[in-house]
Amino acid sequence: AQSVTQPDIHITVSEGASLELRCNYSYGATPYLFWYVQSPGQGLQLLLKYFSGDTLVQGIKGFEAEFKRSQSSFNLRKPSVHWSDAAEYFCAVGGSNTGFQKLVFGTGTRLLVSP
Amino acid sequence: DVKVTQSSRYLVKRTGEKVFLECVQDMDHENMFWYRQDPGLGLRLIYFSYDVKMKEKGDIPEGYSVSREKKERFSLILESASTNQTSMYLCASRKYLRTSGNDIQYFGAGTRLSVL
Repeated sequence: AQSVTQPDIHITVSEGASLELRCNYSYGATPYLFWYVQSPGQGLQLLLKYFSGDTLVQGIKGFEAEFKRSQSSFNLRKPSVHWSDAAEYFCAVGGSNTGFQKLVFGTGTRLLVSP
Repeated sequence: DVKVTQSSRYLVKRTGEKVFLECVQDMDHENMFWYRQDPGLGLRLIYFSYDVKMKEKGDIPEGYSVSREKKERFSLILESASTNQTSMYLCASRKYLRTSGNDIQYFGAGTRLSVL
């Protein structure tokens, strides 16, 4: 069955430091991969997506992610974190194997930014 | 910009009440989804609809039903609310472009439901 693992429940990063959020997936074919961000009390906003092609994808707000098929990973990175990046981040996988483009989500990583 | 609007941000209901959660999208998308979000569990799919009057069960449909009478509106119904349905409910609308392979779900702001 398709699944997504985000091994870190919470991460604390100092403002200005670099960030990497981990995401591992289990999927039987070429996946579609997504990162969403959720600010407190808000819905989910799409940060970036991978469908095919270049394995390093750029998103909004200075985020990027790299698809590594050999490691079944799609880690999210940002070179310099801002206090406004504090939020919860969800990785998701979709595609024909999930059936009608259903998305399977990870359990999320909450990012805390310290001054 | 795609807009997905959920009619209520917060709802408080009593056990046994019938509850309607409404979701409207303005982009003529065919596919719409209802998820619930609980701490430590991420988002779980309740129901989805691939067109008007068409619906499919997701992973956790028990205790819920849905209605899609018009393309822009997708309603989630709790026939008899229970305390274990206290949760955050998120609606999504799917944009799919076969020519480009672009396939994205857009989310509403969520409805936080408390059942007492």
